[in-house]
Amino acid sequence: DADVTQTPRNRITKTGKRIMLECSQTKGHDRMYWYRQDPGLGLRLIYYSFDVKDINKGEISDGYSVSRQAQAKFSLSLESAIPNQTALYFCATSDGPTGADGANVLTFGAGSRLTVL
Amino acid sequence: AQKITQTQPGMFVQEKEAVTLDCTYDTSDPSYGLFWYKQPSSGEMIFLIYQGSYDQQNATEGRYSLNFQKARKSANLVISASQLGDSAMYFCAMRGDTGTASKLTFGTGTRLQVTL
Repeated sequence: DADVTQTPRNRITKTGKRIMLECSQTKGHDRMYWYRQDPGLGLRLIYYSFDVKDINKGEISDGYSVSRQAQAKFSLSLESAIPNQTALYFCATSDGPTGADGANVLTFGAGSRLTVL
Repeated sequence: AQKITQTQPGMFVQEKEAVTLDCTYDTSDPSYGLFWYKQPSSGEMIFLIYQGSYDQQNATEGRYSLNFQKARKSANLVISASQLGDSAMYFCAMRGDTGTASKLTFGTGTRLQVTL
């Protein structure tokens, strides 16, 4: 089984629908992240959580919400999907904390490709 | 604010040759880490190599090495003896030390194509 599992892997939905992307991990890491990838823009951080009681906005959090249900589970919701939220979404985990120059490597899930029509 | 710049949208290299993928960064943080990830056509993100800002020597991992020039704020990835399986998108990323939140900021990526 993968260390970081994302479901669904692919989803097509319509404008205005509520969508939840789920992420679970077996790494035992405290830190979890949601990133969005668009062609030509790289990966951008949506939300991150350093433990179950800690939720933080990333650079592009508008239109998204998250829930950290347990150390191993971190879900991303689009309350009312819109076409420009069509993208590849990645969940990632890492160890922490160490200094900023510590090699807390992010382990990524396989991605969830979302299409909003 | 942190910024990562990858100026090469696409690169070609012949099999068995070496290739350098450019990455420059901008940060005011005194301590930071630099990472390279590979994304093959299947979509997953694969960690390749890491360099800490205080590391004196350039990082190496097998055929991958990171040419770290701190004064120039560059962290170029060198792939030696390219293989067809190296064809992929490559992302440079940086972790800074902004308060208590240390997150990865990614560049826009370079698509590498290895040819026969």
